[in-house]
Amino acid sequence: GENVEQHPSTLSVQEGDSAVIKCTYSDSASNYFPWYKQELGKRPQLIIDIRSNVGEKKDQRIAVTLNKTAKHFSLHITETQPEDSAVYFCAASESGAGSYQLTFGKGTKLSVIP
Amino acid sequence: NAGVTQTPKFRILKIGQSMTLQCTQDMNHNYMYWYRQDPGMGLKLIYYSVGAGITDKGEVPNGYNVSRSTTEDFPLRLELAAPSQTSVYFCASSQGASGNTIYFGEGSWLTVV
Repeated sequence: GENVEQHPSTLSVQEGDSAVIKCTYSDSASNYFPWYKQELGKRPQLIIDIRSNVGEKKDQRIAVTLNKTAKHFSLHITETQPEDSAVYFCAASESGAGSYQLTFGKGTKLSVIP
Repeated sequence: NAGVTQTPKFRILKIGQSMTLQCTQDMNHNYMYWYRQDPGMGLKLIYYSVGAGITDKGEVPNGYNVSRSTTEDFPLRLELAAPSQTSVYFCASSQGASGNTIYFGEGSWLTVV
């Protein structure tokens, strides 16, 4: 089955700096890579996703890059703000009918220091 | 718009007791899931359902059962609770199979003592 490794497990940055979280996956058939943000005591919520036919995707201060050859993808947050403090999870799966198993990384706790 | 609603939010169980976590969604999603989240371990899929009357095991199904009698409801049953089942449980749903956004409920904190 799929195995997703996520690094680092904790990350502290100064407000305004950039943060990068990296994930690797094992199954070359995976083609859907979402990122979820979970604030303390709250539910995980999708913040951005990327599919294997795209190398990079941006949404305001958040971007995700994908390298299918190396089987890794990364989350980039620019101009970090205190409200970015949360646990971030990457995930990977095949996309489409018959694919139900979304495999999550173990999470990265991001702390943005004002 | 309620989305995915699960109850109870907090529960303490004694070893050997049984209980049901309730989950309902109002988005008319066919796909529903139960995940458990242990500290530092991400989310693990317990069971999932692709429609009413259809359920299947995920990665960590032992000690749990589910049913899906309607599109809206997907309860999770814990039989003979064990300390290893102390966790946060999230119910979730999606419009379609993987590749579609998964919407999570608010979580149920379960402690088995």
